[in-house]
Amino acid sequence: GQQLNQSPQSMFIQEGEDVSMNCTSSSIFNTWLWYKQEPGEGPVLLIALYKAGELTSNGRLTAQFGITRKDSFLNISASIPSDVGIYFCAGYIIQGAQKLVFGQGTRLTINP
Amino acid sequence: NAGVTQTPKFRILKIGQSMTLQCTQDMNHNYMYWYRQDPGMGLKLIYYSVGAGITDKGEVPNGYNVSRSTTEDFPLRLELAAPSQTSVYFCASSYSTGQGIGGYTFGSGTRLTVV
Repeated sequence: GQQLNQSPQSMFIQEGEDVSMNCTSSSIFNTWLWYKQEPGEGPVLLIALYKAGELTSNGRLTAQFGITRKDSFLNISASIPSDVGIYFCAGYIIQGAQKLVFGQGTRLTINP
Repeated sequence: NAGVTQTPKFRILKIGQSMTLQCTQDMNHNYMYWYRQDPGMGLKLIYYSVGAGITDKGEVPNGYNVSRSTTEDFPLRLELAAPSQTSVYFCASSYSTGQGIGGYTFGSGTRLTVV
């Protein structure tokens, strides 16, 4: 099936540092979504991207939809302790657009 | 606004037992989904539904069944529980927008252990 390759798998950073993670695919996607999951909870939508080249911010979070439609990145600036969690990219392929495909997740740990 | 509600939150089953994981949403979303999340892994789609009376298989449907008799409810049935079905199960719903399918809203999950 369709696969999204998300990297890195885990990150250990100091509070205040910036964070960058990305997703790539061999298939073209028409929507990219970024989710955050905290322990014991379901994923929560952070940012949605609908157009190639689109750059969208949500507070300290910025995400971009790659020009090739095969990749997306998420940046977090000036990290704080509550940013800890697992971040997932997800996308809809051009065909059969009702189903999201998820990346493997990036586990973010922050040292205060 | 409750969003997506899943019950139970935790369950331990013996091998061969059956159970139904309940999911209900109050947002009038037409699309609903069931995912499983294994430790350290992403989410894998089990079944999905594009509306009442319509269901289809996802990536890992074996050992599961679903029904969608109403817009609000999308229960997931395990008939003969196996240890491989130990996982966290997430239900989600979404809606159609002018740009396609909107982002999913997830429930808080059901943690299932089969022993």
